[in-house]
Amino acid sequence: AQSVTQLGSHVSVSEGALVLLRCNYSSSVPPYLFWYVQYPNQGLQLLLKYTTGATLVKGINGFEAEFKKSETSFHLTKPSAHMSDAAEYFCAVSGGGYQKVTFGTGTKLQVIP
Amino acid sequence: NAGVTQTPKFQVLKTGQSMTLQCAQDMNHNSMYWYRQDPGMGLRLIYYSASEGTTDKGEVPNGYNVSRLNKREFSLRLESAAPSQTSVYFCASRNRDYVHEQYFGPGTRLTVT
Repeated sequence: AQSVTQLGSHVSVSEGALVLLRCNYSSSVPPYLFWYVQYPNQGLQLLLKYTTGATLVKGINGFEAEFKKSETSFHLTKPSAHMSDAAEYFCAVSGGGYQKVTFGTGTKLQVIP
Repeated sequence: NAGVTQTPKFQVLKTGQSMTLQCAQDMNHNSMYWYRQDPGMGLRLIYYSASEGTTDKGEVPNGYNVSRLNKREFSLRLESAAPSQTSVYFCASRNRDYVHEQYFGPGTRLTVT
């Protein structure tokens, strides 16, 4: 079985401040981890993914995430928030030959000017 | 290359009516998925199709049926709509295995009155 927990359904940051969105997972097999972003009235699009290899993963729009096996975490960060980063962010886990992907409940990011 | 397309974009149904949501992808992906998105609940898997000719239940299949018409198309049918099926429905596709990300359509916003 696999699951994802995103801490904080809403996060507010000031423009230019650090963005940190938290994701913890559980998986009985080595996980493959994803962060997706959803802008209002749109579908989800991939920000970044971890499969194997380097544990620090860089994605689009200046985002990155670090896979920490010991902490079962895959937190998303961006050094300096921009107004255009306001969106909902979803962490997801897949693995073990499953076709299913399990999503977290999402975190809405608000950027305050 | 249109990616994943969904029709219709919006739909209002009365309780008891039926309808089919259409999804098509032009990326030659093997796997296709139907999700529903409700506030605070993230994305929940309704049905998926690992390959042409196969379909499997997801987390919330009750009240829905699917058809994988061919490799490109995967439809979702509501036989007798209920207000609890008011939601935003997303179709997604993915290449063969679990290391790959999903590509999402723009969604169908369904209201059942």
